Order: sequence, then structure tokens, then C-alpha cells
Amino acid sequence: QVQLQESGPGLVKSSETLSLTCTVSGGSVSSVSYYWSWIRQPPGKGLEWLGYISYSGTTNYNPSLKSRVTISVDTSKNHFSLKLRSVTAADTAVYHCARLYCSRTSCYWASWGQGTLVTVSS
Amino acid sequence: QSALTQPASVSGSPGQSITISCIGTSSDVGGYNYVSWYQHHPGKAPKLMIYDVGNRPSGISNRFSGSKSGNTASLTISGLQAEDEADYYCSSYTSSSTMIFGGGTKLTVL
Repeated sequence: QVQLQESGPGLVKSSETLSLTCTVSGGSVSSVSYYWSWIRQPPGKGLEWLGYISYSGTTNYNPSLKSRVTISVDTSKNHFSLKLRSVTAADTAVYHCARLYCSRTSCYWASWGQGTLVTVSS
Repeated sequence: QSALTQPASVSGSPGQSITISCIGTSSDVGGYNYVSWYQHHPGKAPKLMIYDVGNRPSGISNRFSGSKSGNTASLTISGLQAEDEADYYCSSYTSSSTMIFGGGTKLTVL
């Protein structure tokens, strides 16, 4: 069973860069048809997809955040990372990493991390 | 991209059935059979309940079912149980190869 675990600072200062890592166990970030993603949930609000990186290294980002987000993968460490630049209080949220399965006939979120709260302070 | 539209809350008594709608556009819900539903208890990882509109993963009760008509997908829970109380989110693939979520629905079992 594939498990995902987020790690990184729980407090980031306004205007700085939020950096999180998701460690994958029980599976490989190089697996075909899987897309490694970040999703966040601000307090009292719904889920927001931030972006993904594919097994082949292709990235795609939420258009509303595209200018500030970078997702990368390290196959040697079997983990992937999120960088969100120029953060503000609006970026305070629980950040989940997730594994998206997408093929020609199917597409769904197959695994999720429990999430980590990141607070942006002024 | 705008979030898919879900009712903010629904409620039902034990044993009853409820349906949660998820309204999108022809560029997401209406264009692909890639709608999935997740049960979320705060502080925990969301749990896949339905994938590809109407398929149940192994281990998910047959009390949960999904369907789609045009740009609207629906999740129906029959025989409501207290343990079903949670937040529910729909998600869809889009024509831009991105993913999108609904705003979430809080289910209360009375």
C-alpha cells in the first residue's frame, strides 16, 4: 500500500517561500500513470488543487497559482517537493500531498497524505 | 478555474438516503467520465468513495453510489449511518489536463 507523508516548516514568514516535501513509501515516484500532486485546504474552506508532476517529469499547475508554484521530484530519494513563492496570509492552509492515477480510461486520487498545517505569519 | 459547485450542507436521519450534487461544465464534469468523490474527516487523509463517476473501490460499502447527467454528477448515500457524517468533495479532470474540486458538502446525520 502506497503511503505519503508531508514534511516541512509549519510556520513561514510573509513574502518568503513555502517549501514542503512528500516522502513516498510502498511505491515509486517513477511509476507509469501516476501524477504526484499537492492540494491545500485553507481554514474553513474547501480543497484546492495546486499542481502535479508526472512520472515522466511533466508539470501542470493551477492557473491561479502558476506564477508562484514549482513542483519537482527526486527519484533517488523517492520524494517530491512543493515550493510556493511570495506567500501571504491567504496561503495559510493544510497542505496535502497526493497520488493521482490517470490513464486513458480512469482518473482519480489514489492516495493522500494526512496533511500538514502551514501558517504564514507577518 | 472555478471550483465545481456543491451544496454547502445536507442532512438526513439514520436509514434515510441523501444525494449530493456536483455541478461543473462541459470542460470538466460534462466532458469526461473522470468524476470522483472523497469523504474527509478533518485532520485525516481524504478517502476515495467513488471513482470514474460510478465505480466503488474495494472495501467501500454499496450504500455509496455515483452517477452523472450532463454537467452534473451526484453522490447518493443510502441507509445513512452516524459514521457517514463527514465532509464530501467531488473532483474532476478538466480539458486543460488540470484537476478541480468541488467546494465541499458537510453531511450531518441527525
